[in-house]
Amino acid sequence: DGGITQSPKYLFRKEGQNVTLSCEQNLNHDAMYWYRQDPGQGLRLIYYSQIVNDFQKGDIAEGYSVSREKKESFPLTVTSAQKNPTAFYLCASSMFQGGSGQPQHFGDGTRLSIL
Amino acid sequence: KQEVTQIPAALSVPEGENLVLNCSFTDSAIYNLQWFRQDPGKGLTSLLLIQSSQREQTSGRLNASLDKSSGRSTLYIAASQPGDSATYLCAVEGGKLIFGQGTELSVKP
Repeated sequence: DGGITQSPKYLFRKEGQNVTLSCEQNLNHDAMYWYRQDPGQGLRLIYYSQIVNDFQKGDIAEGYSVSREKKESFPLTVTSAQKNPTAFYLCASSMFQGGSGQPQHFGDGTRLSIL
Repeated sequence: KQEVTQIPAALSVPEGENLVLNCSFTDSAIYNLQWFRQDPGKGLTSLLLIQSSQREQTSGRLNASLDKSSGRSTLYIAASQPGDSATYLCAVEGGKLIFGQGTELSVKP
């Protein structure tokens, strides 16, 4: 079955620790995205990537880092510089990026909490 | 800066009722508008995508309309069922997706 797999489902971070959230897709999509969702708020874009080895900052990139070494994978690292990391993190992908009329497909999310 | 607003924030209706969810946006320069469904603790499922040149899209009991000039979209759900209970989000794309805060729908048996 084609889709997007995010892992782990739940993650806990200690003070000063970096943690990495995994996102893998087998849809052969070019573009991938990371969003953050806080209670009562819509999704906000953290980073996005249109092609391998290239990525762009979204609206709230501070305290986060990404890599895109393979088309299928777009891991997100939440660094110790992100002072309020508790949120629901969603990964998405689409055939192309921006204005293509292609819908974004989402994973089931990772819930990150502070210990 | 594009802003997307959804009203109401929450809605509770009896089973079988027809209902309308509203979405408004401030910048009409969009490529498309999408409606998503989100179940608790889950990701988003794309329901309908309306291109900027289109006026509406239909899928089963769902119908979404788009009026770019007024910056509005509606999602019409016919003959609502308890299984429709979820949060519905709209998002506009003008290079990137900008989301509204969602409408939490509860359909009572």
